[in-house]
Amino acid sequence: GAVVSQHPSWVICKSGTSVKIECRSLDFQATTMFWYRQFPKQSLMLMATSNEGSKATYEQGVEKDKFLINHASLTLSTLTVTSAHPEDSSFYICSARKIRPDDIETQYFGPGTRLLVL
Amino acid sequence: DAKTTQPNSMESNEEEPVHLPCNHSTISGTDYIHWYRQLPSQGPEYVIHGLTSNVNNRMASLAIAEDRKSSTLILHRATLRDAAVYYCILRYPFYRDNYGQNFVFGPGTRLSVLP
Repeated sequence: GAVVSQHPSWVICKSGTSVKIECRSLDFQATTMFWYRQFPKQSLMLMATSNEGSKATYEQGVEKDKFLINHASLTLSTLTVTSAHPEDSSFYICSARKIRPDDIETQYFGPGTRLLVL
Repeated sequence: DAKTTQPNSMESNEEEPVHLPCNHSTISGTDYIHWYRQLPSQGPEYVIHGLTSNVNNRMASLAIAEDRKSSTLILHRATLRDAAVYYCILRYPFYRDNYGQNFVFGPGTRLSVLP
């Protein structure tokens, strides 16, 4: 299967600072990547869809000015949490879409980044 | 994408088979059935997918009802490493998707494996 990496795997920061999370598809090109957030004991919630070379599409209720997404290349998308607050503490997961030859979509997920804002 | 329903949790003994059910009574003719699982503190991983016929791979088997309104993920011999949340997701083929829409993750089934 394909490999998606995330960096950092965990981060602790002070309230008011900005944090950047990188998502890389290591062995395939991904025109579309996705960012999710997961709170304890809950399912994944899609935050935004990141398309290479264009603006991200944000889900309802997700502040685009707070969660900045950049998809500058076919293998890299970044999520920046600006002016982080304790309520932004969560598990952030990215995925990269790969289309099989039979036109079926598979998503390959990164290992996640645990953010703790003090 | 049509909705799926799964039991909140299931328990299995190690080395025994596990059958994880999923109901999807509103499935459309072109929806594929996908299964992903999420181990603790990790991102989800692909398990298997199918359309109509039963499918096997090295991780699991997928049994699809004849009317396609339900399916079952089968782990033939559960190990402690199979303890995870299992998600059943319906998704149409990519050629129908012009807007980069996404999988929708429900609450899934939390599988506990007892030694």
